[in-house]
Amino acid sequence: GNSVTQMEGPVTLSEEAFLTINCTYTATGYPSLFWYVQYPGEGLQLLLKATKADDKGSNKGFEATYRKETTSFHLEKGSVQVSDSAVYFCALSHQGAQKLVFGQGTRLTINP
Amino acid sequence: DTGVSQDPRHKITKRGQNVTFRCDPISEHNRLYWYRQTLGQGPEFLTYFQNEAQLEKSRLLSDRFSAERPKGSFSTLEIQRTEQGDSAMYLCASSLRDVLGSETPTNTGELFFGEGSRLTVL
Repeated sequence: GNSVTQMEGPVTLSEEAFLTINCTYTATGYPSLFWYVQYPGEGLQLLLKATKADDKGSNKGFEATYRKETTSFHLEKGSVQVSDSAVYFCALSHQGAQKLVFGQGTRLTINP
Repeated sequence: DTGVSQDPRHKITKRGQNVTFRCDPISEHNRLYWYRQTLGQGPEFLTYFQNEAQLEKSRLLSDRFSAERPKGSFSTLEIQRTEQGDSAMYLCASSLRDVLGSETPTNTGELFFGEGSRLTVL
């Protein structure tokens, strides 16, 4: 079945460091891929998405590229801020399916 | 409208009791989803509605769980005879229809989540 695997956390970085959070998936066909973020005390919210191979999703300085050949959707940011501290979830939806399949989440802490 | 709201935010109950959670989605959204999240894990799909119709239920949703959306607006999730294994965060999300299908101008692929209802079963 469909599944998502994220790099294990927690991840702790200093402000202005480069961030990569790895995400790989298993799915048949061509799923859509998402990154959701959960800030402390808030609900999950969509960060970015990509719906087909080689698409790049971007938002708030974060980027992720849909790589079908490596079945990956790694999240990157060139210079993180303290305000980026949150839990990040990679997710997929298979075309025609009505639900998201989430990875286990990666907790990111940015120190000033 | 300020988003998806869930109530209560935290419920502590004794094993064997019944509990009910309520979700009020974004008003113009006709799809409503329930997910369950345990500590250190990502959300797991439980069920979803389009308007008042419950269109899919996960195998995670045992017979003790029932969800309704009687008028196609708010939804309730009831857990009967709670067990300690039911302790989790129950998340509600809403979206526009066909949100997870083909890309269209109204299909953004985005689910809007509430802050969740945390259940602790003693």
